[in-house]
Amino acid sequence: EADIYQTPRYLVIGTGKKITLECSQTMGHDKMYWYQQDPGMELHLIHYSYGVNSTEKGDLSSESTVSRIRTEHFPLTLESARPSHTSQYLCASSEWRGDAETQYFGPGTRLLVL
Amino acid sequence: SQKIEQNSEALNIQEGKTATLTCNYTNYSPAYLQWYRQDPGRGPVFLLLIRENEKEKRKERLKVTFDTTLKQSLFHITASQPADSATYLCALVGDTGRRALTFGSGTRLQVQP
Repeated sequence: EADIYQTPRYLVIGTGKKITLECSQTMGHDKMYWYQQDPGMELHLIHYSYGVNSTEKGDLSSESTVSRIRTEHFPLTLESARPSHTSQYLCASSEWRGDAETQYFGPGTRLLVL
Repeated sequence: SQKIEQNSEALNIQEGKTATLTCNYTNYSPAYLQWYRQDPGRGPVFLLLIRENEKEKRKERLKVTFDTTLKQSLFHITASQPADSATYLCALVGDTGRRALTFGSGTRLQVQP
């Protein structure tokens, strides 16, 4: 079982609210990721980080922002939630085994914006 | 453009049979390929990694093959059980500067008792 945690697991919120999805890992991994996934659909990378004070946008355009002030913590913030943000958000961290990267995922946050 | 293709149709098999899932890719030159399992509402879980110089990798009832000429990986589950029912994703390292893993859309496996 991977030591990566996400809170809340489920969130129902009204349009226009600001929300922060929390992600933390205790494995000391430098690289962390946020993915967005709709039911039955593929994972889309929205943000990633190589380490403290490093954040990059992923493949899928997202109105969310991230920060990485501590190695173990990688929160994602939506300043003004919209129904189009309804989805599952998955956080991951990765470790290197030689030259190969393996990702460990959290349980996800399922977000519903009304 | 780079593409990872997995059969979007669910695979239904009988308990005890061997399940075979396919991952095809184009415009990648991956040094390795990975397979993950994802259960509904949960994050993917790493299963196996196979490198470009390995033809086959096994772990318990799982077997993965990697053919860099065909640009294809096959994922086999022998003596399948209903508990193996899940979506299985393959993942490759892209050739872009960030070299992050890119995941296929996955194939759902349903094992009937």
